[in-house]
Amino acid sequence: AQTVTQSQPEMSVQEAETVTLSCTYDTSESDYYLFWYKQPPSRQMILVIRQEAYKQQNATENRFSVNFQKAAKSFSLKISDSQLGDAAMYFCAYRNAGGTSYGKLTFGQGTILTVHP
Amino acid sequence: DAGVIQSPRHEVTEMGQEVTLRCKPISGHDYLFWYRQTMMRGLELLIYFNNNVPIDDSGMPEDRFSAKMPNASFSTLKIQPSEPRDSAVYFCASRRQVHTEAFFGQGTRLTVV
Repeated sequence: AQTVTQSQPEMSVQEAETVTLSCTYDTSESDYYLFWYKQPPSRQMILVIRQEAYKQQNATENRFSVNFQKAAKSFSLKISDSQLGDAAMYFCAYRNAGGTSYGKLTFGQGTILTVHP
Repeated sequence: DAGVIQSPRHEVTEMGQEVTLRCKPISGHDYLFWYRQTMMRGLELLIYFNNNVPIDDSGMPEDRFSAKMPNASFSTLKIQPSEPRDSAVYFCASRRQVHTEAFFGQGTRLTVV
């Protein structure tokens, strides 16, 4: 079974600074997808960024970028120029690209990000 | 599109009562997921459907929990009888076969007293 681990229960950053959230995962599959979701106090789960395992290039979405290290099974999220609106719980998630558990999305425990003005 | 719609947003019920949570997935999506979020256990997948058929219900905690998807546009998660430890936020999510990411509803906060 796949597992996702976020080792940082809480992180904090000053507004306009950069912060990196860590995520590691365990899988025996070679083709899969990785995601970062944001959950603000409104509790809506919002997709921040996704990465396909077959792509070597790291995904980027505006101020959000990932460092995908397939061999190390590491998938960190970097937030540049942090804004107050970035304050939320961030979840790392994994999904197989095929196989019997094709549809299943497995989440890490989450990291609470606080942004200080 | 209105996104995934869950109802109710909040539910408070007494222990022993039946609770039904509802979900309308995004039109055209083939997969539907039910998740439960608690402080202790984080986000847990309870069950998911593909084309209205339950594929994996191994996350359903007990026989008190049941889920149905009678058609492509509606699903229910029922707890009978409810217990205080069922208090959590329940999320529904849906995804199209060819897409990689799932889209979530706003969740139902269930409180069992």
